Amino acid sequence: DAGVTQSPTHLIKTRGQQVTLRCSPKSGHDTVSWYQQALGQGPQFIFQYYEEEERQRGNFPDRFSGHQFPNYSSELNVNALLLGDSALYLCASSWDLATEAFFGQGTRLTVV
Amino acid sequence: QKEVEQNSGPLSVPEGAIASLNCTYSDRGSQSFFWYRQYSGKSPELIMSIYSNGDKEDGRFTAQLNKASQYVSLLIRDSQPSDSATYLCAVFTSGTYKYIFGTGTRLKVLA
Repeated sequence: DAGVTQSPTHLIKTRGQQVTLRCSPKSGHDTVSWYQQALGQGPQFIFQYYEEEERQRGNFPDRFSGHQFPNYSSELNVNALLLGDSALYLCASSWDLATEAFFGQGTRLTVV
Repeated sequence: QKEVEQNSGPLSVPEGAIASLNCTYSDRGSQSFFWYRQYSGKSPELIMSIYSNGDKEDGRFTAQLNKASQYVSLLIRDSQPSDSATYLCAVFTSGTYKYIFGTGTRLKVLA
């Protein structure tokens, strides 16, 4: 049973560029959540997708957007990258936001 | 007041001892509570979930929940050096539909 997979694992982008991160949920899960984790901090909730719609959103600007596909996989897009966007981006899948979430290995984004 | 608070540590315990990790939360309506372990440079790994008051045991791990005191803890018995990691507490509140993590407690188990 494949767990949650994310790609790429590492990424370096220049300030002002755009980036797309990808996530495939654990088999049987239909809900995907995205988190940003800065060094030394806990994961911060960005948003959650269910049935191809954004169901909940944390305190992140509109530069952060996402999408969920019919096979439940998801993308996180970040536009106009800032240096402060450098972080570990985590995708988690679950049956529902209220239940246990299983994380992918993360994408380490560095903005220079 | 932070919504989910944890002591950042490090908490140092000798090998074989019991490690006690604590977490408090601010929203009385919170209903689901989770403990994750995160090794340096890796993603969080779910250890346990707890939804009702009392204790829940799984192997060397015991989660304890006290909703009246808005307090959840994780006990690790017979601590091993491989338990050295950051332990994250996460809380879900259905009223606000928020899933919030604490900043984590760094645990060091000394051989």
